Amino acid sequence: KNQVEQSPQSLIILEGKNCTLQCNYTVSPFSNLRWYKQDTGRGPVSLTIMTFSENTKSNGRYTATLDADTKQSSLHITASQLSDSASYICVVSPTLSNFGNEKLTFGTGTRLTIIP
Amino acid sequence: DVKVTQSSRYLVKRTGEKVFLECVQDMDHENMFWYRQDPGLGLRLIYFSYDVKMKEKGDIPEGYSVSREKKERFSLILESASTNQTSMYLCASSDRGYGYTFGSGTRLTVV
Repeated sequence: KNQVEQSPQSLIILEGKNCTLQCNYTVSPFSNLRWYKQDTGRGPVSLTIMTFSENTKSNGRYTATLDADTKQSSLHITASQLSDSASYICVVSPTLSNFGNEKLTFGTGTRLTIIP
Repeated sequence: DVKVTQSSRYLVKRTGEKVFLECVQDMDHENMFWYRQDPGLGLRLIYFSYDVKMKEKGDIPEGYSVSREKKERFSLILESASTNQTSMYLCASSDRGYGYTFGSGTRLTVV
């Protein structure tokens, strides 16, 4: 069964500190892995998308890494800000089907709280 | 940027009512999806559509139906709302590549 597991479930850090969120997956076949940020009461917004051939990708203060051999990914947030408080969701996609519709597998997310 | 618009942010309905959730995307995407999101369970796929008038069941289709009469619009229908359908509903659309965009969500409460 395809699964995506994220850790920790929740995390509280001081403003200005760095943090790393983890994602382990057992999805096969594998096409790409995405990290989304979801503010409370809003829809998820894409941060990064990585294919199996990419090891790292950055988006401002967010840096995602991918190890396709161990099926692990991490999201590193540098110099955290209050606006980083949100849920971060890891999503894994299998190889695209003929129709182009993707059956994504979602993690349950890490709830990050930044305190001043 | 792709925009996926869900018609309501918050909705309160009574048990047994027929409920329509509307979703419109503006980037001519072929694929559209409806998910529900519950605490601790993550996003679960209800239905998806890869073309006009085409639909396929997702992981939890029971109690729901969908309609896609136009490419840009995908509607989720709760035929007879029940309290266990209280949830956050998210619409998404995607192209044939890696683009995948969510709407802002509809928080539905069934009382």
